[in-house]
Amino acid sequence: DTAVSQTPKYLVTQMGNDKSIKCEQNLGHDTMYWYKQDSKKFLKIMFSYNNKELIINETVPNRFSPKSPDKAHLNLHINSLELGDSAVYFCASSPDSQGYGYTFGSGTRLTVV
Amino acid sequence: KQEVTQIPAALSVPEGENLVLNCSFTDSAIYNLQWFRQDPGKGLTSLLLIQSSQREQTSGRLNASLDKSSGRSTLYIAASQPGDSATYLCAVFNAGGTSYGKLTFGQGTILTVHP
Repeated sequence: DTAVSQTPKYLVTQMGNDKSIKCEQNLGHDTMYWYKQDSKKFLKIMFSYNNKELIINETVPNRFSPKSPDKAHLNLHINSLELGDSAVYFCASSPDSQGYGYTFGSGTRLTVV
Repeated sequence: KQEVTQIPAALSVPEGENLVLNCSFTDSAIYNLQWFRQDPGKGLTSLLLIQSSQREQTSGRLNASLDKSSGRSTLYIAASQPGDSATYLCAVFNAGGTSYGKLTFGQGTILTVHP
């Protein structure tokens, strides 16, 4: 059983399109995250939800909108995709927001052409 | 703003060598420091977590130390094996004060252990 699963694993799309990435965790964790890993390999947090409530919202273009229908799911919707959005997006979860017990998904490689 | 730097960016060693990966951070008010391993096409795997009050943690052939006052951590890998080849990421968790804390990552050290 995959603890944190993301779909799709690869996504190739044209500029201007709208796309979504889905994430689900079966660990019973309260907190979920979206991270972006750019071409220089830096992992940067984008959003965090704790029990469906948005608790971290970094400086991210408002074309990115997270949605957490329940605490086991955190989806990421991206409008009007741009070339610079190309990156690997990782979903993660942790038992709570106290900074330990992180489990990461295997990533979604987004390529905007 | 917390910044995490890892040195070296890449390291290639023959099997059996002991090696040290370095991590430094600018804001010493951390809650914990964590080391992760990232394999190509896969997510991150947690290796070690050191609480701010601790000096080191050990797991098998891995030993991580923390000097919070100087803003440094090292990951020591003993008797390296080809299976250790991966990217190693250092991350620090800062408590948020009036807001929620977050994990800040370094850019990683790409380790290659050749037979």
